[in-house]
Amino acid sequence: RKEVEQDPGPFNVPEGATVAFNCTYSNSASQSFFWYRQDCRKEPKLLMSVYSSGNEDGRFTAQLNRASQYISLLIRDSKLSDSATYLCVVMPNFGNEKLTFGTGTRLTIIP
Amino acid sequence: DAGVTQSPTHLIKTRGQQVTLRCSPKSGHDTVSWYQQALGQGPQFIFQYYEEEERQRGNFPDRFSGHQFPNYSSELNVNALLLGDSALYLCASSLPGGTGNTIYFGEGSWLTVV
Repeated sequence: RKEVEQDPGPFNVPEGATVAFNCTYSNSASQSFFWYRQDCRKEPKLLMSVYSSGNEDGRFTAQLNRASQYISLLIRDSKLSDSATYLCVVMPNFGNEKLTFGTGTRLTIIP
Repeated sequence: DAGVTQSPTHLIKTRGQQVTLRCSPKSGHDTVSWYQQALGQGPQFIFQYYEEEERQRGNFPDRFSGHQFPNYSSELNVNALLLGDSALYLCASSLPGGTGNTIYFGEGSWLTVV
């Protein structure tokens, strides 16, 4: 079983729609969780951290369910510029700085 | 303030050859991690260097080795290249004890093995 599993997509979504990504992780002791965004042929960039209480950054909402070992990302009112690959990322321990990535979910926003 | 810089950006090697990739961390960062990202996959952790020592290592063969210099810059060496080593190699720098929000990636080095 992969440590971090994501649906690879692709997701083709019309502009303005809401899209949700899900991810599961296998290590129940994992401490930190993130969503990264990666544009084509570019490096991954941190989109947002994920907390059990849920967190929101503009049109983006992330949620962590520790009991189910499940992470989600919701994008509302999607824009053309949201087209990218979204990577679910887990860090096992605070201060470890070793990131475990999912395979990524490719999103294309259609005009 | 320069971020993480990597070189070269692109290179082509032949099977069996050796390659060295270089990384300069973000100013003030002393921990460097290397990742391999094959096409269609997420980045995979290779190893991490701190205080010029390999602190932890992922599931990669001994053909992959590294080094960290006193100025915190780092090299990744791959010997006896295989076609399957073709990938984007990413360097990430961070501060020790970081929470993950302080990890920065370079733009990567694209390696093609023919």
